[in-house]
Amino acid sequence: DIQVTQSPSSLSASVGDRVTITCRASQDIRHYLAWFQQKPGKAPKSLIYAASRLQSGVPSKFSGSGSGTEFTLTISSLQPEDFATYYCQQYNSYPPTFGQGTRLEIK
Amino acid sequence: QVQLVESGGGLVKPGGSLRLPCAASGFSFSDYYMTWIRQTPGKGLEWVSYISGDGTTKHYADSVMGRFTISRDNAKNSLYLQMNSLRAEDTAIYYCARVGSIEAAGTFDHWGQGTLVIVSS
Repeated sequence: DIQVTQSPSSLSASVGDRVTITCRASQDIRHYLAWFQQKPGKAPKSLIYAASRLQSGVPSKFSGSGSGTEFTLTISSLQPEDFATYYCQQYNSYPPTFGQGTRLEIK
Repeated sequence: QVQLVESGGGLVKPGGSLRLPCAASGFSFSDYYMTWIRQTPGKGLEWVSYISGDGTTKHYADSVMGRFTISRDNAKNSLYLQMNSLRAEDTAIYYCARVGSIEAAGTFDHWGQGTLVIVSS
């Protein structure tokens, strides 16, 4: 199975900040990477697929980049509703696998 | 809008069985692969099983192969997960999700709210 590793595991930031989360795959996954946001007690919500494509309705403050084995999720101008846990997921190879999550907290 | 609603979770003894339904609405159900994903505090998010739109193609994670069965009823817009020989490590929140298409094929664009399964004596 392809291992997907996120960093950092947790991150403290302030409202208005710009933050970046990194996801690394153990093998080349081309651009088949997705990002999800999860708030406490809720299901994950799809933000980005194919490394950089926003799901319908997702604000442009979220952006993704990368290919191969290294990917980033950037969130600009953090607002209170953005503080959540973020997960990446590779879908280049079966079985699909998720990163362990990055918890974004208010400083 | 797309809605997925799981039910059927609860407390079950090790070795027992449980069937999880997921009711879908707001999209052409038979056009999409569907999937089950589970989440635990310890192991995080884990993909469990896929089923094709017509129900003929199914895939399972190694951890549930031979114990879990995915199925669907397109006439009822419903997805199911039959879970047999349950173990403590199957304790998790179980989500049904729609699999995306084209460039998103293989990822999960809409999720239900989840249903909690606890396997304990």
